[in-house]
Amino acid sequence: EAQVTQNPRYLITVTGKKLTVTCSQNMNHEYMSWYRQDPGLGLRQIYYSMNVEVTDKGDVPEGYKVSRKEKRNFPLILESPSPNQTSLYFCASSSLPGQGALWGYTFGSGTRLTVV
Amino acid sequence: ILNVEQSPQSLHVQEGDSTNFTCSFPSSNFYALHWYRWETAKSPEALFVMTLNGDEKKKGRISATLNTKEGYSYLYIKGSQPEDSATYLCAYGERGNNRLAFGKGNQVVVIP
Repeated sequence: EAQVTQNPRYLITVTGKKLTVTCSQNMNHEYMSWYRQDPGLGLRQIYYSMNVEVTDKGDVPEGYKVSRKEKRNFPLILESPSPNQTSLYFCASSSLPGQGALWGYTFGSGTRLTVV
Repeated sequence: ILNVEQSPQSLHVQEGDSTNFTCSFPSSNFYALHWYRWETAKSPEALFVMTLNGDEKKKGRISATLNTKEGYSYLYIKGSQPEDSATYLCAYGERGNNRLAFGKGNQVVVIP
């Protein structure tokens, strides 16, 4: 089954404790992206990647890191989480935007992160 | 940051009634317009992707139209059913930009 797999689904952590949210897709998509969803603000892009070793900042990259060492994986790293990073996070993938724009994004199931 | 506006933000619809809502986006450098359906506790799922001015797409009782010259898209739900309750997201893709900009969504609640 074609899918984007995110883990964990729920995470509660303390301020300053490094964490990684994993994202993996099995569709051989070039493009992967991370979004956060906050009430009243809609989906905001954190980082995206056009292909292996190619990453770029979205609208709200501060406090986050990403890596794209393999095509299928795109982990989101919070080196020193803070309470303002409490949010619902989604990973998404598509064919290259020029094509993905024609077929839509496939989203993961989401990760609800709480930083206390 | 690309400005994508959706209205109304939320609406309640009686079962059996039809409804529609709007997504507004920049009319210059248009490339694609997406609609996603997002049910509570699930992830957004693609409904439609439209690229040409005048495009109309339909899936069951849900349809969408696109006007790229004036920068808007309408989503219609005909004969709303409780299972149509969800947030409907639109996303705008700009030519030459590798990103989609999402609106805040239209939250629809269908009342039995």
